[in-house]
Amino acid sequence: NAGVTQTPKFRILKIGQSMTLQCAQDMNHNYMYWYRQDPGMGLKLIYYSVGAGITDKGEVPNGYNVSRSTTEDFPLRLELAAPSQTSVYFCASRHWDKRGEKLFFGSGTQLSVL
Amino acid sequence: QQPVQSPQAVILREGEDAVINCSSSKALYSVHWYRQKHGEAPVFLMILLKGGEQKGHEKISASFNEKKQQSSLYLTASQLSYSGTYFCGTETNAGKSTFGDGTTLTVKP
Repeated sequence: NAGVTQTPKFRILKIGQSMTLQCAQDMNHNYMYWYRQDPGMGLKLIYYSVGAGITDKGEVPNGYNVSRSTTEDFPLRLELAAPSQTSVYFCASRHWDKRGEKLFFGSGTQLSVL
Repeated sequence: QQPVQSPQAVILREGEDAVINCSSSKALYSVHWYRQKHGEAPVFLMILLKGGEQKGHEKISASFNEKKQQSSLYLTASQLSYSGTYFCGTETNAGKSTFGDGTTLTVKP
């Protein structure tokens, strides 16, 4: 299993540009998440999904959109990028079994908006 | 509303113990703990569900007091590899986590 795969690892955008951050997992997890992390801060939940076709807003959804057409993929779309969206973005998926629950994180995407 | 972590920073010598606390003003479904090293993704340590359970992971364990909506992470006989920033994440219902701002732990030789 590759786990949670995020692309790209780094990206520089100009103000007003748009882009999609890709996230894929091959563990058949239903729950997937997008977080952003600003320097020296904790993780802020942007959007999450409890299964294909179902998404919901987190704490900081403004300026972002998501879709979940398959269990594997959970892309994050930035429309009209702004400097305030400069951050590190992490995707994660969640697994349950009778031993408990566990979250798996991707390696992150460092985004700069200039 | 995000949980509050304390202390903000801890400096230890190898072999010493540390406790990191996480408290919420809301009724919680679960508490998660993570460790993040600089420039890396957070690494999941453990999750505690309501019911006041205590879980262990090598020399790192945690408790969850459902009545007080508090969780504590216990690091015993700390090693250099324990250095990093520890975050707690809380859920008021399954699937929607809120994270604290982290506790930076530095273990010195």
